[in-house]
This record gives sequence, structure tokens and C-alpha cells, in this order.
Amino acid sequence: NAGVTQTPKFQVLKTGQSMTLQCAQDMNHEYMSWYRQDPGMGLRLIHYSVGAGITDQGEVPNGYNVSRSTTEDFPLRLLSAAPSQTSVYFCASIPGQQNTEAFFGQGTRLTVV
Amino acid sequence: AQSVTQPDIHITVSEGASLELRCNYSYGATPYLFWYVQSPGQGLQLLLKYFSGDTLVQGIKGFEAEFKRSQSSFNLRKPSVHWSDAAEYFCAVGPSGYNKLIFGAGTRLAVHP
Repeated sequence: NAGVTQTPKFQVLKTGQSMTLQCAQDMNHEYMSWYRQDPGMGLRLIHYSVGAGITDQGEVPNGYNVSRSTTEDFPLRLLSAAPSQTSVYFCASIPGQQNTEAFFGQGTRLTVV
Repeated sequence: AQSVTQPDIHITVSEGASLELRCNYSYGATPYLFWYVQSPGQGLQLLLKYFSGDTLVQGIKGFEAEFKRSQSSFNLRKPSVHWSDAAEYFCAVGPSGYNKLIFGAGTRLAVHP
């Protein structure tokens, strides 16, 4: 049981490049979310999903796309990377019930130059 | 708008001393409240949560937090800090449980021997 797995752990992109951050969970959780963490700002919600085929925007969705074709996977796509997207990205999965814990991945540190 | 404020960016305490980390929130109803801890290079670990009931909640690693509705606060406390408690601490509010969390900016705790 691996929990929430994020890949890659580190990535450097050039401005304008695209890439996909991967997130996979093996706990059959309904809910999955993407956050970005910036110094002095805590974590901010980018996109979230309440089940396969259902996604919605969070607080800072611009420049990011998501899809949820399976329960296990919730990839985050950067369409055209910008330096402002330099951040640490965390994926979280939640069973779907209110009284249970959110599980966070180890994070992906992305630098856009 | 919903928000979370952690007034202290950095706190330094001596090992064995007591600790209180402050958290204030802005939300129209009684929210779900959380404290997370993040060790360097790691993901987030849930310390404790408040949903309803007893306003003093116990968590892991000897931490506790008290919900005070009149002050819109959810301060984290520990009676005796250990060197291993050095980390960054995040307060979060969840309008509907663990999904769509709103985080404070975090408080970085340093522990002197």
C-alpha cells in the first residue's frame, strides 16, 4: 500500500514548455486535490475531483488542467509553463467521507526558468 | 471570504518549553478545523482536527488545540517541546470537511537545545 505517489519529485522546465505532474493513489479514495505551496502563502487549491470523470476549479486554476479518467490517477497538466508556476505541488486524496483524513503526497518541486 | 491567519511566521522555543501557535479563521459558520505539520522536504501530516463537540481536541505527538468560537481561533499547544518538533505548522479550515482546504501561511518552529 503506497498511499499517494507523486512523480517526478523534482523538475526544471523552460518557459513555455508543457508537462504533466502525476499523482496516483491506491486507497480507492473518491476525492483528490492538487495544491501549490509558495513561501509565505501556505497551500492553495488548484483543482479538485470528487470522483472519476468529475473535476472542478479551486482557488488558483489558471494555467493548469486536470482530468480524472480513473479513481486512482489525477494528473495535473501545465499547458505553457511560466516562472510564476515555480512552486512545490502537493496532491492529496481523501476517502470521500467528512470524518476521515486527507493523505498528502511527498510533493513535486517545480522550477520554471 | 473564508481565510486563515497565522500571525507568527517564525517562532523559536527552547527544548522543554511550552508552545502555543496561533490560528484565526474567517468563516460564516462553524468550520472544520485542522492542524498539519510539515517536516523539511516532506508532505503534510495531520496533527489533529475539530469537527464538533468538545472544543479541546487531542492530537498526535502530544499536541492539543482549543476551538474558541467567540475569538474565531484554533490555537495549537504543546506543554513540552522536543527537538523533533522543529517543522512548519499549518492551520487549515475546510468548509466541507477535508475537501477544498484553505490553509494559513504557516508558522515555522525552531527548537533550541
